[in-house]
Amino acid sequence: GAGVSQSPSNKVTEKGKDVELRCDPISGHTALYWYRQSLGQGLEFLIYFQGNSAPDKSGLPSDRFSAERTGGSVSTLTIQRTQQEDSAVYLCAVQPGSGPGELFFGEGSRLTVL
Amino acid sequence: AQSVTQPDIHITVSEGASLELRCNYSYGATPYLFWYVQSPGQGLQLLLKYFSGDTLVQGIKGFEAEFKRSQSSFNLRKPSVHWSDAAEYFCAVLPYNNNDMRFGAGTRLTVK
Repeated sequence: GAGVSQSPSNKVTEKGKDVELRCDPISGHTALYWYRQSLGQGLEFLIYFQGNSAPDKSGLPSDRFSAERTGGSVSTLTIQRTQQEDSAVYLCAVQPGSGPGELFFGEGSRLTVL
Repeated sequence: AQSVTQPDIHITVSEGASLELRCNYSYGATPYLFWYVQSPGQGLQLLLKYFSGDTLVQGIKGFEAEFKRSQSSFNLRKPSVHWSDAAEYFCAVLPYNNNDMRFGAGTRLTVK
C-alpha cells in the first residue's frame, strides 16, 4: 500500500524459531498499528504506536510477541518461539493524521510456521 | 462486549446486479465506522467512513453506506457491481475513546 512497506512479504519458519517482521512507513506518520489476519478471520488488533506515547500493547496474544518502533518510524514485530497457530498475515498500518482511524495498510507479511 | 459482525461470509452476485453487505456493531456509544476493501494480493484500502452528520455516506468506486443508529448497522451498497469489485470487504469500528480499531471477519464477494 501507498506509504507503507513491509518485509519480508513471505516467511516460512520452523516451530520454535524466532521471526522478525518489519514495517517501514513514509516518515511523518505518527500513528502505527500492527494487525494479524488469519484465514477466515477478521483483522486482529495487536499493538498501536502513537508518537512518543507508550504503545498500546493490549492486543498482543502472548508474551512471545513484542514490537518496537525506532525513531518514530520503522517498526519491528518480533515473535519468539513461533507456534503453528502464529501462521497468519501480519499487517502494518499507519494513520496519516487526516482523520481518526483512516488507516493506510501495507501489503502484509505472510508467516507460515511449519 | 464490544464487537463488529459481518453476518455474510461469502456473497455471489452477477455483474450489473445491486449489492448490499451487512455490518452490525455492538458498542456503548456510536463509534467511528469504516468500510475497507482488500483486493487479491493487495493491501486494504479505505472505501468510506462515517463520523457524524449525514447518515448516507459516499465512497470511492461508486460505493455508499448508510448508518442506522436504531439498528446499529452500517451496510455497504453499490447499485451495479462490476467484475473488478470481486474482493474481501471489511467493516471496521473505532471507539471514540481509544485506538482499538476492530474489524469484522470480512465478506468475500464473488462476481459472476
